[in-house]
Amino acid sequence: GQQLNQSPQSMFIQEGEDVSMNCTSSSIFNTWLWYKQDPGEGPVLLIALYKAGELTSNGRLTAQFGITRKDSFLNISASIPSDVGIYFCAGQGQGGSEKLVFGKGTKLTVNP
Amino acid sequence: ETGVTQTPRHLVMGMTNKKSLKCEQHLGHNAMYWYKQSAKKPLELMFVYSLEERVENNSVPSRFSPECPNSSHLFLHLHTLQPEDSALYLCASSQDVPRDLGYGYTFGSGTRLTVV
Repeated sequence: GQQLNQSPQSMFIQEGEDVSMNCTSSSIFNTWLWYKQDPGEGPVLLIALYKAGELTSNGRLTAQFGITRKDSFLNISASIPSDVGIYFCAGQGQGGSEKLVFGKGTKLTVNP
Repeated sequence: ETGVTQTPRHLVMGMTNKKSLKCEQHLGHNAMYWYKQSAKKPLELMFVYSLEERVENNSVPSRFSPECPNSSHLFLHLHTLQPEDSALYLCASSQDVPRDLGYGYTFGSGTRLTVV
């Protein structure tokens, strides 16, 4: 089945630093989604991408749908303590009937 | 109440117990899902319901039994669980399935299940 490789697995950064994480797949996806999960909560959708090459921002967050349709990255600029959490990528393959596939997550720790 | 609500938030049960997890969505969505989240593993899809009909069952052991009495409510009935079933169980909903990813899935806060 389809699998997503998400990296890095964890990050420890200082407040104010920029962050970058990515997901890659061996197969083509039609849609990429990025979620954030706060401790003790369910994932919340941050950004959705629908077209190859698409670059979308949500505040300090920017995500891009790779040209090959097999990868996506998420950048966080000027990190703040509340950015702490686990970030998941998710993708859906072609045909519209494919299941949503999730990465294993990137755990972000921000030191004040 | 808005969004997706899951109860209880925490549950500890013995291997011989029977318990149920409840999920309720107030978004007018037609599809609901159960996911299992274990440490260091991707989210695992367990069950999918669309308009109260089960459309997917991902080879989940029969000790997990879902029920969807209407499009707003979803239950997961648990019996004779094993310690390895301890995990965070997340409920999610979406406008429709399978094509609706326009807004992604809306997740509940989850039930942290511990089997002792």
